[in-house]
Amino acid sequence: QSALTQPASVSGSPGQSITISCTGTSSDVGGYNYVSWYQQHPGKAPKLMIYDVSNRPSGVSNRFSGSKSGNTASLTISGLQAEDEADYYCSSYTSSSTLGPIVVFGGGTKLTVL
Amino acid sequence: EVQLVESGGGLVQPGGSLRLSCAASGFTFSSYEMNWVRQAPGKGLEWVSYISSSGSTIYYADSVKGRFTISRDNAKNSLYLQMNSLRAEDTAVYYCARDRGDYVWGSYRLYYFDYWGQGTLVTVSS
Repeated sequence: QSALTQPASVSGSPGQSITISCTGTSSDVGGYNYVSWYQQHPGKAPKLMIYDVSNRPSGVSNRFSGSKSGNTASLTISGLQAEDEADYYCSSYTSSSTLGPIVVFGGGTKLTVL
Repeated sequence: EVQLVESGGGLVQPGGSLRLSCAASGFTFSSYEMNWVRQAPGKGLEWVSYISSSGSTIYYADSVKGRFTISRDNAKNSLYLQMNSLRAEDTAVYYCARDRGDYVWGSYRLYYFDYWGQGTLVTVSS
């Protein structure tokens, strides 16, 4: 069981918008603005899409955006494109232990573009 | 261009050992904290271990504590993971990942992983 809770799957049609949620606790998502999101295509390494809740690294499309409310963070993808079909993982710093782990992941969400 | 290239994976029997390596290039390796993150087949990501830029501070996930040892050689721009007493549940693709974070009140706050290697598969089976 993952420390952060994500829906197992979401889907949308090209051009639509979808939102993936990531729920944690006050020791991780709710307590700090250190939520990040990763995109992973089959057989590939994860790629950073959003960091510090809502910041995009250079080169990431502005169709990807992040937000947070309380213990739940969200990734929104607007103008869905076929290449967005992938697994998405959220991650957060956690203060639950001073000896580790220092970061926790969600279980991942499979995005299907219909 | 930042590059992280893992090696050393393979098939090992339960109870055996394996040493993974990660060769870094395209950045000043000695200035960055590094991690190992794994992914079991068909499963999600699991953080395994962290090492500070100097190697003086190390953290482990509870699932590997006492069995795995992370280390680095800044002169060789390399990160390592010594894995002992391997179990079937350690079967996974192991990624090395560079992170961005900061020390606050003596503890490290890992903000995010900005670069990942392509991964190396470790299979523990008899």
